[in-house]
This record gives sequence, structure tokens and C-alpha cells, in this order.
Amino acid sequence: QVQLVQSGAEVKKPGSSVKVSCKASGGTLNSYPVSWVRQAPGQGLEWMGGILPVLGTANYAEKFQGRVTIRTDESTNTAYMELSGLRLDDTAVYYCAIGESLDVWGPGTTVTVSS
Amino acid sequence: QTVVTQEPSFSVSPGGTVTLTCGLSSGSVSPMYYTSWFQQPPGQAPRTLIYSTNSRSSGVPDRFSGSIFGNKAALTITGAQTDDEADYYCILYMGSGIYVFGTGTKVTVL
Repeated sequence: QVQLVQSGAEVKKPGSSVKVSCKASGGTLNSYPVSWVRQAPGQGLEWMGGILPVLGTANYAEKFQGRVTIRTDESTNTAYMELSGLRLDDTAVYYCAIGESLDVWGPGTTVTVSS
Repeated sequence: QTVVTQEPSFSVSPGGTVTLTCGLSSGSVSPMYYTSWFQQPPGQAPRTLIYSTNSRSSGVPDRFSGSIFGNKAALTITGAQTDDEADYYCILYMGSGIYVFGTGTKVTVL
């Protein structure tokens, strides 16, 4: 069973960027679609975008187009999500999940945007 | 913009049955949307319960079942237990690599 480990919590200033990583163990990340999902405090889940590693093609929710970049690194079995132009309302827990049905989830990374 | 709607909350008695639904702001949910359902207890990461409308994920108790109910996807909990108390989310595959989550349903068991 593939397990996912995410990078640690981040505190960022408005206007800056954040990069969150998601490392797979027990399997090859390239074998699965990877999605990134976020959850603001007290709010629901929000799909941000995903990538098909074997094709290297990423798709993004319209809301995040132009601000988010998702990629994978086959050599380190790691996926990355970078969000730029951070705003206060980007404060959230960011999850990676793999599989067409988002079958396996990472534990989440808390990103706090504060001036 | 596509909106996927769920009931805000449901209350069910222990041992009771509850059906949560997942609908589209315009149109009907069909098997072509490959609906998945997730359970998120407070303070935890989501866990996949159902995929492809009605397939149960490994290790998920058979009291959870998925279906199409009218023009919506549905998740039924039969014989609810206290540890089923959680938020439940559906997700629809819209095609072209795009997914949309539902608004979520808070289930209380008491």
C-alpha cells in the first residue's frame, strides 16, 4: 500500500509563494494520477488540480488557473504543488491524494498566510 | 461554474439508516461522473469510502453503499454507528482531468 508523506507546516506573507511536497513510499508515484486538495478552516474540501505523471500533463481548477503549478519528480518519487500570489484566504490545510478516485491521502500540510 | 450540492447536515440514530445525496446545479449525476465518497472525522484527513459510484474501497464496512438515486449520486449508511459521525463529501469527475467536490454533509449520530 502506497503511503504519502507531506512537507511541514508553513507560514507565509501575503503576495509570496509556497511549495508543498508529497513523497510516496511503498510504490511508484508515476503509476498514479496525483491531485491536490485544500481545506480552509471550517470549510469544505476544494480540488485545486491534478497531474498525470506518465504524461506530465497537469489540469487545474478554474479558480486557481495561473496561480498554481503541480509537477512530479520521478527521481525522488515526489509531487509538488506551488501556489503563488498568496492571500489571507489561502490559509488552509493542503492535501495530496493519489489515484483516479483519490484513493490514498497524505496527512495534510498547514499553510498559514499572515501579515 | 459547476456547483455540486449536498445536504448541509443529517442526524441519525444509532442503528438507523441515512441516505446522503450529491447533485449538480444543472443536470443529472450519472455513472459517467465516477462519483467517489469520502469520510472526514473531525481533525483528520479524508478517507475514501466509495469510488466509481458504487464500489467500496478496501476495508470499508459494508454498511456503506453507493448508488444513483433519481438524478443524484447517493451514499447510504445502514446501521449507523457512533464512529460514523463525520463530514461526508462527494466528488465528481467532470472530464478533461477536472474534479469538483460537493459542499459536504455533516452527519451526527445520536
